[in-house]
Amino acid sequence: KAGVTQTPRYLIKTRGQQVTLSCSPISGHRSVSWYQQTPGQGLQFLFEYFSETQRNKGNFPGRFSGRQFSNSRSEMNVSTLELGDSALYLCASSLGLAETDTQYFGPGTRLTVL
Amino acid sequence: DAKTTQPNSMESNEEEPVHLPCNHSTISGTDYIHWYRQLPSQGPEYVIHGLTSNVNNRMASLAIAEDRKSSTLILHRATLRDAAVYYCILIPAGGTSYGKLTFGQGTILTVHP
Repeated sequence: KAGVTQTPRYLIKTRGQQVTLSCSPISGHRSVSWYQQTPGQGLQFLFEYFSETQRNKGNFPGRFSGRQFSNSRSEMNVSTLELGDSALYLCASSLGLAETDTQYFGPGTRLTVL
Repeated sequence: DAKTTQPNSMESNEEEPVHLPCNHSTISGTDYIHWYRQLPSQGPEYVIHGLTSNVNNRMASLAIAEDRKSSTLILHRATLRDAAVYYCILIPAGGTSYGKLTFGQGTILTVHP
């Protein structure tokens, strides 16, 4: 079974621009979660989509948004980029049906904001 | 949400057992205890989970205290590949937080050859 894939793997943007990151979950998984990882804050939950609906949301400003398509693929968008948005953005997929479900993480997208 | 506390770092020698502790004194009766680890330059990966009883799988064992206020992840024979950051995470049952993992600072495990 193919794992979680994320594109692009690396991205360089400048302040004020916007960016869209893509995540393809494992086949059959309906839940996709996004996380931001920085050296200072560690791994922080951004949001989770389940069957095209946002089910959980972390404590991030409205500049961070996402969506999920009918094939469970997900995108996240960050508008008006700030230097502090430089981070590794991780996507994880799971069945999303129970607290015992395993989350499978992708390799991440490394975003650098200049 | 219940919080977890882990030591910042631990060290081990290769082929020796490693016991990674996690304190969760405010755990509720229906919280599942999950462990994930993050190898260098990779996304986190699932290790093991449990509710009340001790659990074993091919990667590790999970020992849960009788009062559930603490747990210990046991790597029976550490290898260099086990060097990673280990996270202990609580997931409440019965809600819709299944897709949300709340990571703490984790424990950095260093394995010496």
